[in-house]
Amino acid sequence: EDQVTQSPEALRLQEGESSSLNCSYTVSGLRGLFWYRQDPGKGPEFLFTLYSAGEEKEKERLKATLTKKESFLHITAPKPEDSATYLCAVQGYGGATNKLIFGTGTLLAVQP
Amino acid sequence: DGGITQSPKYLFRKEGQNVTLSCEQNLNHDAMYWYRQDPGQGLRLIYYSQIVNDFQKGDIAEGYSVSREKKESFPLTVTSAQKNPTAFYLCASSTPNGYEQYFGPGTRLTVT
Repeated sequence: EDQVTQSPEALRLQEGESSSLNCSYTVSGLRGLFWYRQDPGKGPEFLFTLYSAGEEKEKERLKATLTKKESFLHITAPKPEDSATYLCAVQGYGGATNKLIFGTGTLLAVQP
Repeated sequence: DGGITQSPKYLFRKEGQNVTLSCEQNLNHDAMYWYRQDPGQGLRLIYYSQIVNDFQKGDIAEGYSVSREKKESFPLTVTSAQKNPTAFYLCASSTPNGYEQYFGPGTRLTVT
């Protein structure tokens, strides 16, 4: 069964304190791994798609990396506006077309 | 501006009443999805549609119904048969290859 586990559940950082969020996955043939940002009471905002191990993508202070078993979302010198829940999802070749399997998210709080 | 709209933002209903949540997109996407989000759980797929006049059940379709009469619209009806309807409902759309799904702002449904 396809599965996504995110850790930690919650993370509190001081402004400027870099860290990483983890997304471990099991899937029968990875079609894509996706990172989203979700602010309270709003829909998820698409950040990155990663397709194969070794791939990396960057956007401002965020950098996503992918291995065969997990993905990391590195946050460099975070600011309070980076506070949000970060969701990871995978799409495999085995299941229903285009179905995304989501983790439960990491709640990030960046204090000034 | 292209995007996905969901209405209303908040919805309150009494038990035993059916309620319909609206989802409209002007991204010219063929595929549309409905997810449900509950605290401490990942997003779960309710229904999806790859093309007009066709839709498939997701993982938790019981107590829900959908229609897809127009490419732009994918309304979700929460029926009285849904045992636990109070949740945050998210609509998404994607291109036919389905790699990136883009989400609407969500509708928070409260049933008492």
